[in-house]
Amino acid sequence: QVQLVQSGAEVKKPGASVKVSCKASGYTFTGHYIHWVRQAPGQGFEWMGWINPNSGGTNYAQRFQGRVTMTRDTSITTAYMELSRLRSDDTAVYYCAKSWFDPWGQGTLVTVSS
Amino acid sequence: DIVMTQSPDSLAVSLGERATINCKSSQSVLYSSNNKNYLAWYQQKPGQPPKLLIYWASTRESGVPDRFSGSGSGTDFTLTISSLQAEDVAVYYCQQYYTTPYTFGQGTQLEIK
Repeated sequence: QVQLVQSGAEVKKPGASVKVSCKASGYTFTGHYIHWVRQAPGQGFEWMGWINPNSGGTNYAQRFQGRVTMTRDTSITTAYMELSRLRSDDTAVYYCAKSWFDPWGQGTLVTVSS
Repeated sequence: DIVMTQSPDSLAVSLGERATINCKSSQSVLYSSNNKNYLAWYQQKPGQPPKLLIYWASTRESGVPDRFSGSGSGTDFTLTISSLQAEDVAVYYCQQYYTTPYTFGQGTQLEIK
């Protein structure tokens, strides 16, 4: 079955970077975009961008431009999202989702704290 | 950005009764060239990722019970649960995928009365 499995929880200090992985299985990895969405504690969802695993092309939400980098490794059917210059308000659960947003990974909690 | 506004923020419904959640977009999400509304509904239970219920505003995802239905067009949409079951307790979100940044409603908490 189609499955996205994400890397484990992370704790980072302000100013650091975090890289979250998303391992895809059960479908043709290069045939579907991967979206990244985050959910702050007790809050709604914020779309961060997508990556085309076939070409490596990306589309980032403007508010994350310059801080987010989405990449992929087709040999291991894994997508990555790296967020730099972390702030306390980046504390959230980060999700990957196969286009169109079905299914989602289990989520990765990133905590930013000094 | 397109702003998605849901109502109500929370809703308590008796088992077996109908639940209705509304979603309004700040601009139309109807793409005229294919007459499709780029609107989806999700269900999220505590500690779980969202689950896609409805896409194209009214198309039920495979495996979703037929008590869930979506309607509406343009800027006004509705998710209806025809006969509430205990397992439907969750937060429900609408989302537009008409244009980036794709945006979500704030969520509606559905509980049992």
